[in-house]
Amino acid sequence: QVQLVQSGAEVRKPGASVKVSCKASGYTFTNHYMQWVRQAPGQGLEWMGIINPSGDRTNYAQKLQGRVTMTRDTSTSTVYMELTSLTSGDTAVYYCARDLGIAVAGWGLDSWGQGTLVTVSS
Amino acid sequence: SYVLAQPPSVSVAPGKTARITCGGNNIGSKTVHWYQQKPGQAPVLVIYYVTDRPSGIPERFSGSNSGNTATLTISRVEAGDEADYYCQVWDTSGHYVFGPGTKVTVL
Repeated sequence: QVQLVQSGAEVRKPGASVKVSCKASGYTFTNHYMQWVRQAPGQGLEWMGIINPSGDRTNYAQKLQGRVTMTRDTSTSTVYMELTSLTSGDTAVYYCARDLGIAVAGWGLDSWGQGTLVTVSS
Repeated sequence: SYVLAQPPSVSVAPGKTARITCGGNNIGSKTVHWYQQKPGQAPVLVIYYVTDRPSGIPERFSGSNSGNTATLTISRVEAGDEADYYCQVWDTSGHYVFGPGTKVTVL
């Protein structure tokens, strides 16, 4: 079955960076777009960005442009999300998610990682 | 960027029908997906491409989309349906957009 396993919780100081990983298994990794979604405490879901199956194209939410980088390693079936210049407003649970479509995006996110809590505090 | 609107909360008695709306400019021309999220858990896709259900999602969950409103309908509501529900669209800019979410309370 499809599994997305994320790295563990992180604590960072303001101004620092964080890199979260998401290891996929149970399906053909190079067939699906991957996305990152975050959720601040008590708040709704916020789409962060998308990376294509081969990892050579990304598209980020405008408010995160310049601070977020998404990459993928097809040899290990792992996607990464790095966020820089952290502030307290970046404190959230970060999820990776698989797009349902085969080689296309926009079909909905049918599998999700367990979430990674990133806490930004001085 | 594209903006979606959802009611903050919906209350429904067990066995009744819950309807959760998602408003957006000409949303009827877009693909809409719906997610259920229970406290402390990752979201679960319950409807994709407006009306389709992933395997394992009960037939009680259905979707529709027309004009400026998409709707998630939950028939014969059960206590286990109590959760936050989010609509999502795929925008022409190649972005996903989430609605603010609706908390469904089963009375």
